[in-house]
Amino acid sequence: GENVEQHPSTLSVQEGDSAVIKCTYSDSASNYFPWYKQELGKRPQLIIDIRSNVGEKKDQRIAVTLNKTAKHFSLHITETQPEDSAVYFCAASMSNTGKLIFGQGTTLQVKP
Amino acid sequence: DAGITQSPRHKVTETGTPVTLRCHQTENHRYMYWYRQDPGHGLRLIHYSYGVKDTDKGEVSDGYSVSRSKTEDFLLTLESATSSQTSVYFCAISGTTGPGELFFGEGSRLTVL
Repeated sequence: GENVEQHPSTLSVQEGDSAVIKCTYSDSASNYFPWYKQELGKRPQLIIDIRSNVGEKKDQRIAVTLNKTAKHFSLHITETQPEDSAVYFCAASMSNTGKLIFGQGTTLQVKP
Repeated sequence: DAGITQSPRHKVTETGTPVTLRCHQTENHRYMYWYRQDPGHGLRLIHYSYGVKDTDKGEVSDGYSVSRSKTEDFLLTLESATSSQTSVYFCAISGTTGPGELFFGEGSRLTVL
């Protein structure tokens, strides 16, 4: 089955710097790759997703890149702000099965 | 927020007792999921459902069973709770015609003494 590895487990940056979180997946049939943000004590919420027919997707300060050959994808946050502090999860699935497997999570701390 | 509710939100029980967590949705979404969240392990899929009476195992299904007798309800049962099942359990729903964005419930915190 699918296995998703996420790095780093913790990341601390200065406000205004960029943050990058990387994930690798094992099943080459996976074709849907979402990223979720979970603030302390809250439920996870989708922030951006990408499907295997595109290599990059941007939404304001957030971007995701996908390398299907290497089976890895990354989340890029530019101009980080204190409100970006949260736990971020990557995930992978075959969209026709609905089975979504998450990485272990990255705790991002943005220092003012 | 998507119309998804979990009950109970908090439960303390003893080892060996049965426990059932309920997930109820009002969105008519086809897919429903149960995840558990533990420090250092992220969100791990227990079971999921792709339709009424259609369920499949996830990564950590041992010790858990599920049932989905109607679209709006997905039940997670621990037949005989163990301390290793102490966790926060999240239900999620997705897609009316196909999977996509997951909408999570608020979580149920279970403590097994």
